[in-house]
Amino acid sequence: EVQLVESGGGLVQPGRSLKLSCLASGFTFSNYGMNWIRQAPGKGLEWVASISSSSSYIYYADTVKGRFTISRDNAKNTLYLQMTSLRSEDTALYYCARLTGSSRDYWGQGVMVTVSS
Amino acid sequence: DIQMTQSPASLSASLEEIVTITCQASQDIGNWLSWYQQKPGKSPQLLIYGATSLADGVPSRFSGSRSGTQYSLKISRLQVEDIGIYYCLQAYSAPRTFGGGTKLELK
Repeated sequence: EVQLVESGGGLVQPGRSLKLSCLASGFTFSNYGMNWIRQAPGKGLEWVASISSSSSYIYYADTVKGRFTISRDNAKNTLYLQMTSLRSEDTALYYCARLTGSSRDYWGQGVMVTVSS
Repeated sequence: DIQMTQSPASLSASLEEIVTITCQASQDIGNWLSWYQQKPGKSPQLLIYGATSLADGVPSRFSGSRSGTQYSLKISRLQVEDIGIYYCLQAYSAPRTFGGGTKLELK
């Protein structure tokens, strides 16, 4: 069974940093590109960042470029999102997801990040 | 980046009614279009992939279609459990992009 389990969220003050993790299981993690998607309270889905299977290709949404860093450790089956200079508008539920466009696309349960003083 | 324009943003429909939601891609994405349903407090659930293929366990009242760069999700007979928010997703290229969502409510 494929599982994506996010962790590392919480309450953080504006300007501070936070690192999210996503532990993958049930598939060969190193074969797939991965994504972070977020959803602010009461809002729609916003793609945040993606990374190819070997980390060769990385993309960021303009809203987080220069502040967030996506990375992965294929030996640990783990995806990361390092978030710095956090703003109130970064408050959201952050999902880790494998989005291939096939029947085998998977999402985690999400982890909440709240940026507030 | 590919833009996905989804409409309507909200929709109120009666039980057993036919419901249609559309997404317009800003460029050719072939059949690389998925539809998701999201209910409160839950992760998005895959309904349709490849523009027209039904995901496992999804009722047959859901269907997807494509006309050029316009994609549609149809619910043939709306049921109470279909209430939620629907999103399209293009999986043709990176970065992935979502439509803005359609909030489906009961009339």
